[in-house]
Amino acid sequence: KAGVTQTPRYLIKTRGQQVTLSCSPISGHRSVSWYQQTPGQGLQFLFEYFSETQRNKGNFPGRFSGRQFSNSRSEMNVSTLELGDSALYLCASSWGSGSKNIQYFGAGTRLSVL
Amino acid sequence: GENVEQHPSTLSVQEGDSAVIKCTYSDSASNYFPWYKQELGKGPQLIIDIRSNVGEKKDQRIAVTLNKTAKHFSLHITETQPEDSAVYFCAAPALTTDSWGKLQFGAGTQVVVTP
Repeated sequence: KAGVTQTPRYLIKTRGQQVTLSCSPISGHRSVSWYQQTPGQGLQFLFEYFSETQRNKGNFPGRFSGRQFSNSRSEMNVSTLELGDSALYLCASSWGSGSKNIQYFGAGTRLSVL
Repeated sequence: GENVEQHPSTLSVQEGDSAVIKCTYSDSASNYFPWYKQELGKGPQLIIDIRSNVGEKKDQRIAVTLNKTAKHFSLHITETQPEDSAVYFCAAPALTTDSWGKLQFGAGTQVVVTP
């Protein structure tokens, strides 16, 4: 069974640009969550999508957005990039959205903003 | 929301010794506590988890204990091996909703096992 797949693995952008990251969950999983990982702030929750609906949102500015498609694949978009957006962006999938569902992480997309 | 504190931030152990990482949480309603291991260049991988209806869980060299009264849980690795070297994260769910999407993570512990 294939794991969580994130593309691309690496990205280099400049300030002011926008970027779109992709996540394909484990087959059969309907929940996708996104996290930002930085050395200073650790792992921080961005948002969760379940059945194409945003279920939860972390404390990030509106420049960070996401969506989920009918096949459960998810994308996140960051507009007007800032230097501080440089981070490893992780996607995690789970079968459902609730207290009994284990999250499985992808390898992440490393974004560098110059 | 949930706050999860993790100690120590770094841990160096000799191969064969034990390693212990401790986490505390703030939301007394939290009922699920996973531990993740992150190796260089990879995403976090679940290594063990515990639910609030048990006090201890073991899986070969790894064990997790939970003290609900004190609101802390610990990861124990026995007979450490070089391949145990990684960053370990504890987590607990924020229970503002029923969603498991919002895991609050500890800051991580860099474990280095020296031969």
